[in-house]
Amino acid sequence: GEDVEQSLFLSVREGDSSVINCTYTDSSSTYLYWYKQEPGAGLQLLTYIFSNMDMKQDQRLTVLLNKKDKHLSLRIADTQTGDSAIYFCAEKSRGGKLIFGQGTELSVKP
Amino acid sequence: DTEVTQTPKHLVMGMTNKKSLKCEQHMGHRAMYWYKQKAKKPPELMFVYSYEKLSINESVPSRFSPECPNSSLLNLHLHALQPEDSALYLCASSQDIAQDGKNIQYFGAGTRLSVL
Repeated sequence: GEDVEQSLFLSVREGDSSVINCTYTDSSSTYLYWYKQEPGAGLQLLTYIFSNMDMKQDQRLTVLLNKKDKHLSLRIADTQTGDSAIYFCAEKSRGGKLIFGQGTELSVKP
Repeated sequence: DTEVTQTPKHLVMGMTNKKSLKCEQHMGHRAMYWYKQKAKKPPELMFVYSYEKLSINESVPSRFSPECPNSSLLNLHLHALQPEDSALYLCASSQDIAQDGKNIQYFGAGTRLSVL
């Protein structure tokens, strides 16, 4: 079945780059999403990519997709303390469903 | 505007109470969703409505009863809940559920529910 996996924790220093990784299993063409969730808040869509693309850049965010390995990464340049949050990778499935990873908790130290 | 509004923000209820959660969007979206989320876990899908009809029920207990009165509103009626139902309840909406579209889901801020 479909599955999305992420590492659970990442700690970086302010100003460094953060790279959050995700693997997925669906072999069909699909959309992949990155959401950010700050404490006590809902999920905020950061970016998305279609599975026939290799890369997408949006300001400080860069998404890289390795279709062969089904590996997705989110790079945050110049990470700030305000970037501390849980980041969820998600894969679009049938019927409108999203298959979420477990979430990566990003901690940014000053 | 990509806003999904949920009320109330917080709710405390006893196991014998009846309450309702509300969700509203004015983006013209025809798909709406309810999720349950425990702390530091991913959201778990509960229900999907497509064009005001229930499309997916993920085997949710009958003490949770969804309702979609029109294309902008989604309710979740709660009755005889258990303490383990305490969680953040998130509503989301998307253009539709078509397989060939990007169907971005936009989430509300959630209702923090505590069942005593």
